[in-house]
Amino acid sequence: DGGITQSPKYLFRKEGQNVTLSCEQNLNHDAMYWYRQDPGQGLRLIYYSQIVNDFQKGDIAEGYSVSREKKESFPLTVTSAQKNPTAFYLCASRPEGSTDTQYFGPGTRLTVL
Amino acid sequence: SQQGEEDPQALSIQEGENATMNCSYKTSINNLQWYRQNSGRGLVHLILIRSNEREKHSGRLRVTLDTSKKSSSLLITASRAADTASYFCATDYSSASKIIFGSGTRLSIRP
Repeated sequence: DGGITQSPKYLFRKEGQNVTLSCEQNLNHDAMYWYRQDPGQGLRLIYYSQIVNDFQKGDIAEGYSVSREKKESFPLTVTSAQKNPTAFYLCASRPEGSTDTQYFGPGTRLTVL
Repeated sequence: SQQGEEDPQALSIQEGENATMNCSYKTSINNLQWYRQNSGRGLVHLILIRSNEREKHSGRLRVTLDTSKKSSSLLITASRAADTASYFCATDYSSASKIIFGSGTRLSIRP
């Protein structure tokens, strides 16, 4: 899992509540990413950030928000507007301008009760 | 909008046999990467092949890339129980610093 940590590993949320997933990296990477994975499916891009204080929507950004106030941190908030938030969330990073591999965190499994 | 699609979706083979997985994509790419994911875990990078390369090896892994057909294959030779996992191809296709993942192949190795 490299130098990327995600917390918590498991998260439970009641319907209508916002919840924030943490992602921290000590790899000095500029670019960071959030993906959502549903059972038996591939990864879908939610948001990504290429530099501090800047981020772009991915393919499924609706109902999610992010911030990038520090290079090493890229928290993801799952808002009550996300209709089906139960999923496995993965964070990744890589050096900006690189076309090389991404490094992934261990993931957070979010369950809405 | 998935860029890569893997085939087959699931594969079950006997330990010691070779496993081949295929990936097709839609637009021109900078590179193509293969990742492994054990159940409930993060993704682990296996191998990257650039658009100007045709074949690459890493241990028991062999990856080919055919840009004219927009396809790639991952061959795992002499499979082991520990190879049981899902395998994803991912394409890096623009300067937007995005990587797009396929839906994956679930590989099961029977003892």
